[in-house]
Amino acid sequence: DQQVKQNSPSLSVQEGRISILNCDYTNSMFDYFLWYKKYPAEGPTFLISISSIKDKNEDGRFTVFLNKSAKHLSLHIVPSQPGDSAVYFCAASGVYQTSGSRLTFGEGTQLTVNP
Amino acid sequence: NAGVTQTPKFQVLKTGQSMTLQCAQDMNHEYMSWYRQDPGMGLRLIHYSVGAGITDQGEVPNGYNVSRSTTEDFPLRLLSAAPSQTSVYFCASSFLGTANEKLFFGSGTQLSVL
Repeated sequence: DQQVKQNSPSLSVQEGRISILNCDYTNSMFDYFLWYKKYPAEGPTFLISISSIKDKNEDGRFTVFLNKSAKHLSLHIVPSQPGDSAVYFCAASGVYQTSGSRLTFGEGTQLTVNP
Repeated sequence: NAGVTQTPKFQVLKTGQSMTLQCAQDMNHEYMSWYRQDPGMGLRLIHYSVGAGITDQGEVPNGYNVSRSTTEDFPLRLLSAAPSQTSVYFCASSFLGTANEKLFFGSGTQLSVL
Protein backbone atom coordinates (compact mmCIF):
# COMPACT_ATOMS: atom_id res chain seq x y z
CA ASP A 1 0.00 0.00 0.00
CA GLN A 2 1.19 3.46 -0.87
CA GLN A 3 1.53 5.27 2.46
CA VAL A 4 2.58 8.55 0.85
CA LYS A 5 0.68 9.62 -2.21
CA GLN A 6 1.11 12.45 -4.68
CA ASN A 7 -2.00 12.29 -6.80
CA SER A 8 -0.91 14.72 -9.49
CA PRO A 9 1.79 13.28 -11.76
CA SER A 10 2.27 16.67 -13.39
CA LEU A 11 1.54 20.37 -12.89
CA SER A 12 2.05 23.26 -15.29
CA VAL A 13 2.05 26.92 -14.18
CA GLN A 14 3.03 30.29 -15.60
CA GLU A 15 6.15 32.06 -14.45
CA GLY A 16 5.40 34.40 -11.56
CA ARG A 17 2.29 32.52 -10.43
CA ILE A 18 1.94 30.21 -7.45
CA SER A 19 2.70 26.49 -7.71
CA ILE A 20 0.92 24.22 -5.25
CA LEU A 21 2.05 20.61 -4.96
CA ASN A 22 0.03 18.26 -2.81
CA CYS A 23 0.82 15.15 -0.80
CA ASP A 24 -1.37 12.83 1.28
CA TYR A 25 -0.28 10.20 3.77
CA THR A 26 -2.06 7.39 5.55
CA ASN A 27 0.28 6.42 8.41
CA SER A 28 -0.61 8.48 11.50
CA MET A 29 2.79 7.59 13.01
CA PHE A 30 4.62 9.78 10.50
CA ASP A 31 5.84 12.89 12.27
CA TYR A 32 8.42 14.42 9.97
CA PHE A 33 7.92 15.40 6.36
CA LEU A 34 10.36 16.49 3.69
CA TRP A 35 10.25 17.70 0.10
CA TYR A 36 12.98 16.84 -2.38
CA LYS A 37 13.51 18.31 -5.82
CA LYS A 38 15.00 16.36 -8.71
CA TYR A 39 16.35 17.61 -12.01
CA PRO A 40 16.88 15.21 -14.94
CA ALA A 41 20.07 13.11 -14.71
CA GLU A 42 20.68 14.30 -11.14
CA GLY A 43 19.91 12.90 -7.71
CA PRO A 44 17.16 14.38 -5.54
CA THR A 45 18.15 17.32 -3.37
CA PHE A 46 16.55 18.37 -0.12
CA LEU A 47 14.26 21.38 -0.38
CA ILE A 48 12.32 21.93 2.82
CA SER A 49 10.94 19.99 5.77
CA ILE A 50 8.37 20.25 8.52
CA SER A 51 7.88 18.59 11.87
CA SER A 52 4.43 17.46 12.96
CA ILE A 53 4.51 19.93 15.85
CA LYS A 54 4.25 22.75 13.29
CA ASP A 55 1.67 23.52 10.64
CA LYS A 56 3.83 25.76 8.46
CA ASN A 57 7.47 26.18 7.56
CA GLU A 58 8.83 28.82 5.23
CA ASP A 59 12.12 29.17 3.38
CA GLY A 60 12.28 32.00 0.89
CA ARG A 61 9.88 31.28 -1.97
CA PHE A 62 9.02 27.84 -0.58
CA THR A 63 6.42 27.18 2.10
CA VAL A 64 5.21 23.81 3.33
CA PHE A 65 1.85 23.48 5.07
CA LEU A 66 0.86 20.50 7.18
CA ASN A 67 -2.73 19.56 8.05
CA LYS A 68 -2.41 16.66 10.47
CA SER A 69 -6.12 16.03 10.84
CA ALA A 70 -6.44 15.61 7.07
CA LYS A 71 -3.07 13.84 6.76
CA HIS A 72 -2.21 16.28 4.02
CA LEU A 73 0.72 18.51 3.22
CA SER A 74 1.37 20.94 0.44
CA LEU A 75 4.32 22.80 -0.99
CA HIS A 76 3.76 26.35 -2.21
CA ILE A 77 6.24 28.05 -4.51
CA VAL A 78 5.74 31.80 -4.89
CA PRO A 79 6.61 33.23 -7.34
CA SER A 80 7.33 30.26 -9.61
CA GLN A 81 10.38 30.49 -11.85
CA PRO A 82 11.38 28.43 -14.91
CA GLY A 83 14.32 27.04 -12.91
CA ASP A 84 11.79 25.44 -10.54
CA SER A 85 10.81 23.00 -13.30
CA ALA A 86 11.68 19.62 -11.81
CA VAL A 87 10.17 16.53 -10.21
CA TYR A 88 9.14 17.12 -6.60
CA PHE A 89 9.02 14.21 -4.16
CA CYS A 90 7.19 14.28 -0.87
CA ALA A 91 8.66 12.03 1.86
CA ALA A 92 7.64 11.08 5.38
CA SER A 93 9.26 9.41 8.37
CA GLY A 94 8.57 8.69 12.01
CA VAL A 95 10.73 8.72 15.12
CA TYR A 96 9.13 5.39 16.02
CA GLN A 97 11.43 3.87 13.41
CA THR A 98 14.29 2.88 15.65
CA SER A 99 16.87 1.88 13.10
CA GLY A 100 17.83 3.71 10.00
CA SER A 101 16.03 6.43 8.20
CA ARG A 102 12.93 4.79 6.82
CA LEU A 103 11.85 7.59 4.59
CA THR A 104 8.74 6.73 2.60
CA PHE A 105 8.53 8.62 -0.67
CA GLY A 106 5.60 9.61 -2.82
CA GLU A 107 5.48 9.01 -6.56
CA GLY A 108 6.63 12.50 -7.47
CA THR A 109 5.04 15.43 -9.32
CA GLN A 110 6.60 16.91 -12.45
CA LEU A 111 6.36 20.70 -12.20
CA THR A 112 6.76 22.72 -15.39
CA VAL A 113 6.99 26.49 -15.10
CA ASN A 114 6.37 28.19 -18.44
CA PRO A 115 8.08 31.53 -19.23
CA ASN B 1 33.55 18.58 -2.06
CA ALA B 2 32.42 15.43 -3.92
CA GLY B 3 29.53 14.44 -1.60
CA VAL B 4 28.02 11.13 -2.75
CA THR B 5 29.64 9.59 -5.84
CA GLN B 6 28.03 6.77 -7.81
CA THR B 7 29.56 4.73 -10.61
CA PRO B 8 28.78 3.83 -13.31
CA LYS B 9 26.23 6.35 -14.57
CA PHE B 10 24.82 3.92 -17.15
CA GLN B 11 24.93 0.14 -17.45
CA VAL B 12 23.34 -2.43 -19.72
CA LEU B 13 23.25 -6.06 -18.57
CA LYS B 14 21.96 -9.29 -19.94
CA THR B 15 19.60 -11.39 -17.85
CA GLY B 16 21.58 -13.51 -15.41
CA GLN B 17 24.67 -11.33 -15.33
CA SER B 18 25.94 -9.95 -12.05
CA MET B 19 27.40 -6.54 -11.33
CA THR B 20 28.23 -4.11 -8.56
CA LEU B 21 27.05 -0.52 -8.35
CA GLN B 22 29.57 1.58 -6.47
CA CYS B 23 28.78 4.30 -3.96
CA ALA B 24 31.21 6.41 -1.98
CA GLN B 25 30.73 9.41 0.27
CA ASP B 26 33.32 11.77 1.75
CA MET B 27 31.15 13.43 4.40
CA ASN B 28 31.91 10.94 7.19
CA HIS B 29 28.26 9.89 7.24
CA GLU B 30 27.37 6.83 9.27
CA TYR B 31 24.14 6.16 7.40
CA MET B 32 24.10 5.03 3.77
CA SER B 33 21.29 3.60 1.70
CA TRP B 34 20.24 2.45 -1.75
CA TYR B 35 16.98 3.40 -3.47
CA ARG B 36 15.48 2.51 -6.79
CA GLN B 37 13.25 4.86 -8.73
CA ASP B 38 10.60 3.47 -11.02
CA PRO B 39 7.92 5.38 -12.94
CA GLY B 40 4.80 5.94 -10.84
CA MET B 41 6.37 4.37 -7.75
CA GLY B 42 8.64 7.02 -6.29
CA LEU B 43 11.82 6.01 -4.51
CA ARG B 44 11.86 2.65 -2.75
CA LEU B 45 14.47 1.63 -0.19
CA ILE B 46 16.51 -1.47 -1.10
CA HIS B 47 19.10 -1.78 1.68
CA TYR B 48 20.63 0.52 4.22
CA SER B 49 23.51 0.67 6.68
CA VAL B 50 23.86 2.58 9.94
CA GLY B 51 27.62 2.08 10.14
CA ALA B 52 30.54 -0.07 9.03
CA GLY B 53 29.72 -3.74 9.41
CA ILE B 54 25.97 -3.14 9.87
CA THR B 55 23.43 -3.56 7.08
CA ASP B 56 19.70 -4.17 6.94
CA GLN B 57 16.96 -4.72 4.41
CA GLY B 58 14.63 -2.07 3.15
CA GLU B 59 11.34 -2.35 1.31
CA VAL B 60 12.56 -4.17 -1.84
CA PRO B 61 15.73 -6.16 -0.99
CA ASN B 62 15.24 -9.31 -3.09
CA GLY B 63 17.90 -9.84 -5.74
CA TYR B 64 20.34 -7.40 -4.16
CA ASN B 65 23.22 -7.76 -1.75
CA VAL B 66 25.18 -5.14 0.19
CA SER B 67 28.14 -4.91 2.51
CA ARG B 68 29.73 -2.06 4.45
CA SER B 69 33.39 -2.67 5.20
CA THR B 70 34.29 1.03 5.50
CA THR B 71 32.42 4.18 6.47
CA GLU B 72 32.95 5.65 3.00
CA ASP B 73 31.78 2.84 0.69
CA PHE B 74 28.47 1.03 0.27
CA PRO B 75 28.38 -1.13 -2.88
CA LEU B 76 25.18 -2.70 -4.17
CA ARG B 77 25.47 -6.11 -5.85
CA LEU B 78 23.01 -7.56 -8.31
CA LEU B 79 23.44 -11.30 -7.98
CA SER B 80 21.65 -12.43 -11.16
CA ALA B 81 20.14 -9.53 -13.07
CA ALA B 82 16.51 -9.70 -14.15
CA PRO B 83 14.50 -7.36 -16.43
CA SER B 84 12.47 -6.32 -13.35
CA GLN B 85 15.65 -4.72 -12.02
CA THR B 86 15.71 -2.20 -14.85
CA SER B 87 15.55 1.04 -12.93
CA VAL B 88 17.43 4.12 -11.81
CA TYR B 89 19.42 3.49 -8.65
CA PHE B 90 20.33 6.16 -6.12
CA CYS B 91 22.72 5.97 -3.24
CA ALA B 92 22.02 8.34 -0.35
CA SER B 93 23.68 9.16 2.95
CA SER B 94 23.14 11.15 6.10
CA PHE B 95 25.07 11.73 9.30
CA LEU B 96 23.21 9.32 11.57
CA GLY B 97 20.11 8.26 9.63
CA THR B 98 17.66 9.65 12.16
CA ALA B 99 14.10 10.38 11.10
CA ASN B 100 14.56 14.16 10.87
CA GLU B 101 17.78 14.21 8.87
CA LYS B 102 17.92 15.12 5.23
CA LEU B 103 19.51 12.66 2.84
CA PHE B 104 22.27 13.51 0.39
CA PHE B 105 21.85 11.66 -2.90
CA GLY B 106 24.27 10.64 -5.60
CA SER B 107 23.49 11.40 -9.24
CA GLY B 108 22.18 7.91 -9.97
CA THR B 109 22.92 4.84 -12.08
CA GLN B 110 20.60 4.06 -14.97
CA LEU B 111 20.49 0.27 -15.31
CA SER B 112 18.88 -1.66 -18.15
CA VAL B 113 18.57 -5.44 -18.01
CA LEU B 114 17.80 -7.08 -21.35
